[in-house]
Amino acid sequence: DGGITQSPKYLFRKEGQNVTLSCEQNLNHDAMYWYRQDPGQGLRLIYYSQIVNDFQKGDIAEGYSVSREKKESFPLTVTSAQKNPTAFYLCASTSRDSAVTNQPQHFGDGTRLSIL
Amino acid sequence: AQKVTQAQTEISVVEKEDVTLDCVYETRDTTYYLFWYKQPPSGELVFLIRRNSFDEQNEISGRYSWNFQKSTSSFNFTITASQVVDSAVYFCALSGLSGTYKYIFGTGTRLKVLA
Repeated sequence: DGGITQSPKYLFRKEGQNVTLSCEQNLNHDAMYWYRQDPGQGLRLIYYSQIVNDFQKGDIAEGYSVSREKKESFPLTVTSAQKNPTAFYLCASTSRDSAVTNQPQHFGDGTRLSIL
Repeated sequence: AQKVTQAQTEISVVEKEDVTLDCVYETRDTTYYLFWYKQPPSGELVFLIRRNSFDEQNEISGRYSWNFQKSTSSFNFTITASQVVDSAVYFCALSGLSGTYKYIFGTGTRLKVLA
């Protein structure tokens, strides 16, 4: 079955620690996205990548970093500079021509990050 | 600037009641897209519908229907004869050229359907 796999489902971070959230897709999608969801708020875009080896900051990129070395993978690192990392993180993907046809984004099951 | 407003934070209905979730949007684009997603307790977002700005025809899919009105910048979602399995958070989203087709999400409406 094609889809998006996020791991782990739950993650705990200690003070001063960087943690990496995994996102893998087998949909052959070019574009991938990371969103943050806080209670009572909509999803906010952290980073996105339209093609391998290229990515752009979203609305709340500070304290986060990403890489896009493979088409299938778009890991997100929450650095120690992110002072309030507790949130639900969702990864999404869509085909490259979505800018023209605006195909819907497909989402993973999410990772819930908490501070220890 | 683009904006999506879902003024209803939480709605509770009894099973079999009809319920409408409101979505109001703002955009200066003439071409744009609107989406509805469902987020069940498990967390993933499930795509429900996409509508482009040139297609104002209402759509029905089983118990779900959508009313798109450009005159009022609204894209409302109605569930007929609600069921407990409809309990979820529902998000409306907007995508357009001025935002380089990134999604702008509303804050979501939590629907609770009581047995």
